[in-house]
Amino acid sequence: RKEVEQDPGPFNVPEGATVAFNCTYSNSASQSFFWYRQDCRKEPKLLMSVYSSGNEDGRFTAQLNRASQYISLLIRDSKLSDSATYLCVVSSNSGYALNFGKGTSLLVTP
Amino acid sequence: DTGVSQDPRHKITKRGQNVTFRCDPISEHNRLYWYRQTLGQGPEFLTYFQNEAQLEKSRLLSDRFSAERPKGSFSTLEIQRTEQGDSAMYLCASSENSVGEQYFGPGTRLTVT
Repeated sequence: RKEVEQDPGPFNVPEGATVAFNCTYSNSASQSFFWYRQDCRKEPKLLMSVYSSGNEDGRFTAQLNRASQYISLLIRDSKLSDSATYLCVVSSNSGYALNFGKGTSLLVTP
Repeated sequence: DTGVSQDPRHKITKRGQNVTFRCDPISEHNRLYWYRQTLGQGPEFLTYFQNEAQLEKSRLLSDRFSAERPKGSFSTLEIQRTEQGDSAMYLCASSENSVGEQYFGPGTRLTVT
């Protein structure tokens, strides 16, 4: 079983829509959680950290459920520029490495 | 540009040849990571340096792979006797203190023919 599982999509949504991505992780000892964004043929970039209390950054809201080992990302009022692959990321046992999911592809259409 | 840089950006090599990639991290970052990414997959961790010390290696890093960071600044990743399965994007990342906020370079795309 992979350490981080995500639905690869693609998710095709119209501009202005709300879209949610989920992922699950297998290592209950993981301490740190993140969402990264990767544009086509570009390097991954940190979108936001994820905390148990939930956190919001503009149109983006991330949630963590440690009991269910489940992480979510909600994007409100989608923009064309949100089109990208969203990578769910969990720290390894050692705390040094990051374990990435396969990514969920989002395409926002006019 | 003070971001992470990688060289070369593309490398085509024949099976059995050795290749070496270079990564220059952001100057004040003491942590450096190497990842490998294939099409349709997320990056897979290969190895981690804190300053010049290699503190963690993935089991993905076979004996044919070696990485160094001799003076705690730039790093090199060498693959000996390349195989077609080594074809991938090799990404380098650096961070200052936090494991989570890693800054990635543009990657080196390796094609083994």
